[in-house]
Amino acid sequence: GQQLNQSPQSMFIQEGEDVSMNCTSSSIFNTWLWYKQEPGEGPVLLIALYKAGELTSNGRLTAQFGITRKDSFLNISASIPSDVGIYFCAGRGGGGADGLTFGKGTHLIIQP
Amino acid sequence: GAVVSQHPSRVICKSGTSVKIECRSLDFQATTMFWYRQFPKQSLMLMATSNEGSKATYEQGVEKDKFLINHASLTLSTLTVTSAHPEDSSFYICSARVSGGPRRYEQFFGPGTRLTVL
Repeated sequence: GQQLNQSPQSMFIQEGEDVSMNCTSSSIFNTWLWYKQEPGEGPVLLIALYKAGELTSNGRLTAQFGITRKDSFLNISASIPSDVGIYFCAGRGGGGADGLTFGKGTHLIIQP
Repeated sequence: GAVVSQHPSRVICKSGTSVKIECRSLDFQATTMFWYRQFPKQSLMLMATSNEGSKATYEQGVEKDKFLINHASLTLSTLTVTSAHPEDSSFYICSARVSGGPRRYEQFFGPGTRLTVL
């Protein structure tokens, strides 16, 4: 099946720093989604990307859909304590398959 | 908008019993809902796709007779874990997507149900 390689697995940063994480795949995806999950809760949608090359922002978050359709990155600028959590990329494949394939997540930890 | 609820949020049951989990889209209609399972410190794994008015589509390796899915209305899907065993203990999360429109591929997740089988 399709797999997503998400990196880094975890990040320890200082408050105020910028963050960058990415996902790559050997398969093409038609949609890339970025989610944030906090302990004991369901994932919350941050950004959705639909077209190759698309660059979309949501406040301090920016994500891009790679030109090859096999990768995506998420950047967080000027991190704040409430950014702590696990960030997942998710891809929707072609061929009518609507279920999402998730990356393994990036655990973001912010030191004050 | 796009709020999804799950009930119960937490359930503890004895081995061999069945547990039903409900997933509701509160402010939109969802012809398609999805059920995922997440083990501690791991990612979400798609179990099945639930289609309103038709049979669910299960991912490879997921037993359809053990995880019964019913999607009887445009706002409700249920997952029943039959004859639960300790290895079924997990965090079960549903998602729903809006029926049609430019955002139709975005999935909105419920808060999850923590199942513990003793």
